[in-house]
Amino acid sequence: AQKITQTQPGMFVQEKEAVTLDCTYDTSDPSYGLFWYKQPSSGEMIFLIYQGSYDQQNATEGRYSLNFQKARKSANLVISASQLGDSAMYFCAMREEGSTLGRLYFGRGTQLTVWP
Amino acid sequence: DVKVTQSSRYLVKRTGEKVFLECVQDMDHENMFWYRQDPGLGLRLIYFSYDVKMKEKGDIPEGYSVSREKKERFSLILESASTNQTSMYLCASSPPTVYNSPLHFGNGTRLTVT
Repeated sequence: AQKITQTQPGMFVQEKEAVTLDCTYDTSDPSYGLFWYKQPSSGEMIFLIYQGSYDQQNATEGRYSLNFQKARKSANLVISASQLGDSAMYFCAMREEGSTLGRLYFGRGTQLTVWP
Repeated sequence: DVKVTQSSRYLVKRTGEKVFLECVQDMDHENMFWYRQDPGLGLRLIYFSYDVKMKEKGDIPEGYSVSREKKERFSLILESASTNQTSMYLCASSPPTVYNSPLHFGNGTRLTVT
């Protein structure tokens, strides 16, 4: 079974609008961490934001915030005030505390296109 | 800043060749990883290593092997390249399981096997 599910292969948003990229996860480990990465067309993987399973508040980093709903096992990325440079592939990932050597499980990604 | 360097950005090899993909990190990280990225499949873990000469299989190790002779270097080896190994290969490193520490990635090697 997939540990990370990203159901949106592609998303489109107009510049300056907000967009939500969906991510659901599957784990029985009570302790885990959730990560989002951005991959522009250049191919580099850029770490955006982290949320721990015991964190009481949703994580925020600049224009990025993570809408963490633990009971629903979802960790959606919200990008506010989209910019053309936000066009990229976005990956959700999870680390389980009990996992071997801190490996990350990745979803299949969402391709975000920001149009003017 | 952590730097993870993959030796080749693009590589073209022939079927049956032995292929070496090299990765070097400069942050003295214990853990290193090789992922493969294919459209619609996301990133899949091939192998990882937590110390020199130590390795663990990931989810898709078939057709690959790895070598870690020095802490900073982690090599992925395709023993006999096949066309279905045409893909983007990403190397990553991290400190020993610091819970909230992200993986630091190299820029990737796009391998084409003809």
